[in-house]
Amino acid sequence: SAVISQKPSRDICQRGTSLTIQCQVDSQVTMMFWYRQQPGQSLTLIATANQGSEATYESGFVIDKFPISRPNLTFSTLTVSNMSPEDSSIYLCSVAGTGGSYEQYFGPGTRLTVT
Amino acid sequence: QKEVEQNSGPLSVPEGAIASLNCTYSDRGSQSFFWYRQYSGKSPELIMSIYSNGDKEDGRFTAQLNKASQYVSLLIRDSQPSDSATYLCAVAGGSYIPTFGRGTSLIVHP
Repeated sequence: SAVISQKPSRDICQRGTSLTIQCQVDSQVTMMFWYRQQPGQSLTLIATANQGSEATYESGFVIDKFPISRPNLTFSTLTVSNMSPEDSSIYLCSVAGTGGSYEQYFGPGTRLTVT
Repeated sequence: QKEVEQNSGPLSVPEGAIASLNCTYSDRGSQSFFWYRQYSGKSPELIMSIYSNGDKEDGRFTAQLNKASQYVSLLIRDSQPSDSATYLCAVAGGSYIPTFGRGTSLIVHP
């Protein structure tokens, strides 16, 4: 499976500010995703990051709040904009499509706290 | 809306026993089924995938799929305290993007 890294691993931010999370994969992958996981909850898909085009957002998530970039097949960023305490969560990058498989593998996550 | 249901638990089993984790799903068109293990404070780790009816074994883990009844299960034989974690079931259809269940917490006590 691919090796996935995320930066930062954690951060504490003030409300109204923005944070950009980076996801780097050690090999080219077909699909990259961004998830949110709130304490004690399951995973919620925010969007699919599309290489060279706009991300595909799930219901309840919008580009103005969560702009996503994917400039190539190994890298993506997620920005959490104009943060509020409700954005406090773990944000996870995942990838699929390595070696012809659609199994998803997750990065280590970014723990975000908004004060 | 596609739904994946799991009993939240906790499921408590003694060391050495078989732990049985169950998952049901609503979309009859589902094609791919996954089990993830998530330790507290860590990200999900894929432990099993299954695509056709029947059993699939990998070490102490066995995944079972019954598409007619729309359920998938995970058996953990010879359970160890290190197996204590939350187990997430994920189900995908033609889009290959899975829907995740809320997870079952497993506690293996010595």
